[in-house]
Amino acid sequence: AQTVTQSQPEMSVQEAETVTLSCTYDTSESNYYLFWYKQPPSRQMILVIRQEAYKQQNATENRFSVNFQKAAKSFSLKISDSQLGDTAMYFCAFMRPSSGGKLIFGQGTELSVKP
Amino acid sequence: SQTIHQWPATLVQPVGSPLSLECTVEGTSNPNLYWYRQAAGRGLQLLFYSVGIGQISSEVPQNLSASRPQDRQFILSSKKLLLSDSGFYLCAWRRAGVADTQYFGPGTRLTVL
Repeated sequence: AQTVTQSQPEMSVQEAETVTLSCTYDTSESNYYLFWYKQPPSRQMILVIRQEAYKQQNATENRFSVNFQKAAKSFSLKISDSQLGDTAMYFCAFMRPSSGGKLIFGQGTELSVKP
Repeated sequence: SQTIHQWPATLVQPVGSPLSLECTVEGTSNPNLYWYRQAAGRGLQLLFYSVGIGQISSEVPQNLSASRPQDRQFILSSKKLLLSDSGFYLCAWRRAGVADTQYFGPGTRLTVL
């Protein structure tokens, strides 16, 4: 069975600095998808970024980028120029295409951006 | 554009009472639909998913059930709530047939007393 591990329950960063959130996963599949979701205090789950395992190029979305290391089964999220609005829970998630789209989530990292 | 709605937003129910949470999606057809539960602000657990009307897959044996009476409507129910059913319930959808992203609704906070 696939598992997703986020080893940092809490992190903090100063405004305008860069922070990296870690995620590792376990699977025997070769084709899969990885996601980072953000959950602010409103608790709405918002997609931050997605990576397809067959693509070697790391995904980027504005200030958000990932470091996808397939062999190491690692999928970290880098947030550059952190903003106060980035304060939220961040969840890493894994999806196997043949599983009906089911997402397997990590336990989350609570990120605080300090002024 | 697509929109997903959930109601109610907040619910407080006594132990042993019934439950009905509703999720609807607008702007798409034949979506895959999902119910997740989040306890104590941590990871989400998939409860049910549906690939079509009347088609429900259960992930975790429990006190809850799900139904999909219409293409874009997904309902989570219970006949008798337990204290352990308290949590934050999220509905999500994605386009069918493609390895696509799931998009989440605003959620329902359920407290069972």
